[in-house]
Formats: sequence, structure tokens, C-alpha cells
Amino acid sequence: DTEVTQTPKHLVMGMTNKKSLKCEQHMGHRAMYWYKQKAKKPPELMFVYSYEKLSINESVPSRFSPECPNSSLLNLHLHALQPEDSALYLCASSYGLGPYEQYFGPGTRLTVT
Amino acid sequence: RKEVEQDPGPFNVPEGATVAFNCTYSNSASQSFFWYRQDCRKEPKLLMSVYSSGNEDGRFTAQLNRASQYISLLIRDSKLSDSATYLCVVAGGGRTGGFKTIFGAGTRLFVKA
Repeated sequence: DTEVTQTPKHLVMGMTNKKSLKCEQHMGHRAMYWYKQKAKKPPELMFVYSYEKLSINESVPSRFSPECPNSSLLNLHLHALQPEDSALYLCASSYGLGPYEQYFGPGTRLTVT
Repeated sequence: RKEVEQDPGPFNVPEGATVAFNCTYSNSASQSFFWYRQDCRKEPKLLMSVYSSGNEDGRFTAQLNRASQYISLLIRDSKLSDSATYLCVVAGGGRTGGFKTIFGAGTRLFVKA
């Protein structure tokens, strides 16, 4: 079952709000990713976790805070976002950290007002 | 030069046509290659991995040319449902032994009746 789930599907938040995005996979994958995608652009990597440890942070602003509570779950905590942060946030997982296929969740469409 | 470059789109083809996409990559140490398709406002979905020997899945054929550093995707007998953005993804070969996953900008395909 190559399924990655994400909640919520849609999120509207004000610039002073705190919210969290959630991602879950049950494929036994040891690497999990957060991507940001703007309209008509490819996904941009934000964070990578390998074996529940943060491996890659692509210079993402601190208003985005990732968390990996266990090997199946990945959260992205949001605080004091800007309107330009509005985008589709995609979670993905892969067998390991390396040149493996990544499987994406359906994404959370975030609007910051 | 971009690390992964794809044919500019959009491609507008009639049903039943054969269409080919090319993708070039700059890092000769890249290890894995993939084609993903992404429908409007949906997540990228793995279409196929690309191997040196080439691989075929029904109407789709992918080829890798390491010497020239390009990969291709051929779609035969195009269907209306093939309309999507096709993303070329190259992985591996990061600096200091790490890995990188690079997405091309994507090529949009419109198949018309």
C-alpha cells in the first residue's frame, strides 16, 4: 500500500495563528520529506528526516518548524506565517535517504490571510 | 545552467498521437531517474523509474542516456487522461557523499479530442 496521508486538506490561517500540518505513512519508510509547491512550479524541498532525525533543512525560515514524533508521523508546525507562504504543502516518504522513489501525500493547501 | 532541464511546454496533441519529452541533467554523478505526473491541484505521482536498459510500461517508454546525460519519456496512443504535467526527477550525486533530489520544472501536456 503506497499511501501517504495528510491532514488537513485545506487550511486558512491568519498571520498571527499557530497551526500544524500532519503527515502519516505506514509503508515502513525511513525517510520523510516536506515540500512546498507554488502554482505552476515544481515542488521545493524544505526538510528531510531520516530515521526520525532531521537530515536536511533547506534554509527554511524558522516560522516553519518540523517534527518527527516517530517513524510513521511527520508534522510541520506553522507560526507567524506571511501571505507569500500560501502554497500546497506536500509530504513524501521513501525507503531511505538516497536515490529512492518518493511517494507523495495529497498535500495541504494553505492560505495565509 | 539548471541542474535538471525539461522541454518547455505546453505540448498540445490530438488523441492517438505519440509524444516525447526530453530532460537533461548536469550532475554526472546522479544515480536515479524518475518520471512523475502531476494533475492540476494534485500531488505528483510516480509514473516510472528510468533504467539504463530502458523500460516500458504499457504505452509509456522511458530511456536513459548517461553519456549524454538525458532521459526521455515516450507516450504512445495518447489518451485524454494523459493530460497532466510531467516532472523529470533526478536523484543522488550530492556533494560530500550525500544525495540530492532535483525536480525539473515540468512539461505540460494537453491531449485533445
